[in-house]
Amino acid sequence: EDKVVQSPLSLVVHEGDTVTLNCSYEVTNFRSLLWYKQEKKAPTFLFMLTSSGIEKKSGRLSSILDKKELFSILNITATQTGDSAIYLCAAPDAGNMLTFGGGTRLMVKP
Amino acid sequence: KAGVTQTPRYLIKTRGQQVTLSCSPISGHRSVSWYQQTPGQGLQFLFEYFSETQRNKGNFPGRFSGRQFSNSRSEMNVSTLELGDSALYLCASSLTVSGNTIYFGEGSWLTVV
Repeated sequence: EDKVVQSPLSLVVHEGDTVTLNCSYEVTNFRSLLWYKQEKKAPTFLFMLTSSGIEKKSGRLSSILDKKELFSILNITATQTGDSAIYLCAAPDAGNMLTFGGGTRLMVKP
Repeated sequence: KAGVTQTPRYLIKTRGQQVTLSCSPISGHRSVSWYQQTPGQGLQFLFEYFSETQRNKGNFPGRFSGRQFSNSRSEMNVSTLELGDSALYLCASSLTVSGNTIYFGEGSWLTVV
């Protein structure tokens, strides 16, 4: 059975801090890992990672995948209150069935 | 380009009733999946459809069913509702059966009383 585990469970930081969110996985026939941001509504797509060692970047957010060690990290620099959300990572099976981690709840205080 | 559209957004049902939720995928997307999200269980996979065929089904009772139409729109149905079915039901769409980004709709909030 595929498994995705995220840590930490929750995190409280102040604006301007840098945070690192972790995602480890055990997936048969691994193809990709996806990161989403969820704020009281649908998960919003952030990144899809397929190759090891290649960093994906979008503004203050970046993510990298390590296929050897079976983990990914999501970094957020210069955090803002608008970054407060639950961050989810997920891995698809051979099709589109996603196995999600439990999420990391990030709270950014002013 | 419109995103994944789900209707209704909010609904309240009574135990024992049934409910049908609808999902229109992103234009051109042919794969539709459904997920249930609850505070206790997180996001759990319900079903996946592609070209009107169910490709995969999660570990849910037979009261949960779905279908996909020829225009890729999908519906899911829950019969004999139980209090524990109260959840956010999310639909996701993707271009093909694998290897593409998966996008989520806003969800349908179901409350069973």
